[in-house]
Amino acid sequence: AQSVTQLDSQVPVFEEAPVELRCNYSSSVSVYLFWYVQYPNQGLQLLLKYLSGSTLVKGINGFEAEFNKSQTSFHLRKPSVHISDTAEYFCAVIRSGGYQKVTFGIGTKLQVIP
Amino acid sequence: SQTIHQWPATLVQPVGSPLSLECTVEGTSNPNLYWYRQAAGRGLQLLFYSVGIGQISSEVPQNLSASRPQDRQFILSSKKLLLSDSGFYLCAWSGRDTLGGQPQHFGDGTRLSIL
Repeated sequence: AQSVTQLDSQVPVFEEAPVELRCNYSSSVSVYLFWYVQYPNQGLQLLLKYLSGSTLVKGINGFEAEFNKSQTSFHLRKPSVHISDTAEYFCAVIRSGGYQKVTFGIGTKLQVIP
Repeated sequence: SQTIHQWPATLVQPVGSPLSLECTVEGTSNPNLYWYRQAAGRGLQLLFYSVGIGQISSEVPQNLSASRPQDRQFILSSKKLLLSDSGFYLCAWSGRDTLGGQPQHFGDGTRLSIL
């Protein structure tokens, strides 16, 4: 079975500063990786995904993530955050091959400070 | 394009009352369907998933049940709600791919409060 660890439960950052949200996973087989964003009282929205190919993945709203197989990490980054980025962010992993259940991290709350 | 509808958005129910939450998907066929519960600080807990009509897999023992009477309809039910059933319930769908890797697409959720 796979697992996901989001190392920070909350990350405060000033507006226009860069941010990195950390995600580590463990799996004995190949995986696909995702980042989702959740705004208050809403469902989760897909930010980006890594399936294969280039390890640097660009998503919506200026976010990007880098897959690092040796460190089993998939950290999310944005060079300059906006107030509107205040939300909760979830990392998720799914084993490759046919139907597999998704494993979500417990989430990281990003608070952008004006 | 595909859309997912989940209702109601909020619900307040007394302990011991029944529950029915509905989720429908449009614009796709044969989706995988999911029910999650989200508790503060605990991430998402998968409750049920379905790969086809009438095919329901339960992830955790509880007093909730799920049904899929139609291809794009997924219903979460309970005969008697408990206080511990309070939470934010999310429905999701994903496409089918033999290689896997299909992302999940979520509804806007139902905030359930048990009094």
